[in-house]
Amino acid sequence: EAGVAQSPRYKIIEKRQSVAFWCNPISGHATLYWYQQILGQGPKLLIQFQNNGVVDDSQLPKDRFSAERLKGVDSTLKIQPAKLEDSAVYLCASSLVQGLGYTFGSGTRLTVV
Amino acid sequence: RKEVEQDPGPFNVPEGATVAFNCTYSNSASQSFFWYRQDCRKEPKLLMSVYSSGNEDGRFTAQLNRASQYISLLIRDSKLSDSATYLCVVNQAGTALIFGKGTTLSVSS
Repeated sequence: EAGVAQSPRYKIIEKRQSVAFWCNPISGHATLYWYQQILGQGPKLLIQFQNNGVVDDSQLPKDRFSAERLKGVDSTLKIQPAKLEDSAVYLCASSLVQGLGYTFGSGTRLTVV
Repeated sequence: RKEVEQDPGPFNVPEGATVAFNCTYSNSASQSFFWYRQDCRKEPKLLMSVYSSGNEDGRFTAQLNRASQYISLLIRDSKLSDSATYLCVVNQAGTALIFGKGTTLSVSS
């Protein structure tokens, strides 16, 4: 079974620039999550999708972050404009059942300079 | 108050030692409990689920006390390969996992 695919693996941008991350979940997994993990912290949920609908985006900084999962399969997370404090690893995960049986992707490491 | 709080680290232990990690959670409606392991610069991976009756997987034992809202992980006979960050994780039915900050374990020879 193929895992959760994420790209790019690494990204360095200047503050105020825009950046987008892509995630392709495990085939058949209806639930998709984006987490932000700042160095030394645990992953923090940004947004949860069930198929192409948003279940929880309460912790997504909506003034600069946006995410979509238009066809209920792959997803894109965008930051515009980026701030220094957005430097983190962005982890995508998917699951067959909401809240259980997560599989994480390898993450995208973002550095904002 | 954070939803999931863990022992501050790092824990530095010799091979063969027994080490225990503790975790508390604030939401009494939490229903599922897990320990995840995260190696340096890698994604988190499920180590084990935690059940009210307590459960064991080889050298690892997890305990849950719902009344105290407390979760523990015991590692016996530590190996060099156990060096990692251990994340305490909880959730309610149908909701996303909530992660603690993690406790770093370093096992030395």
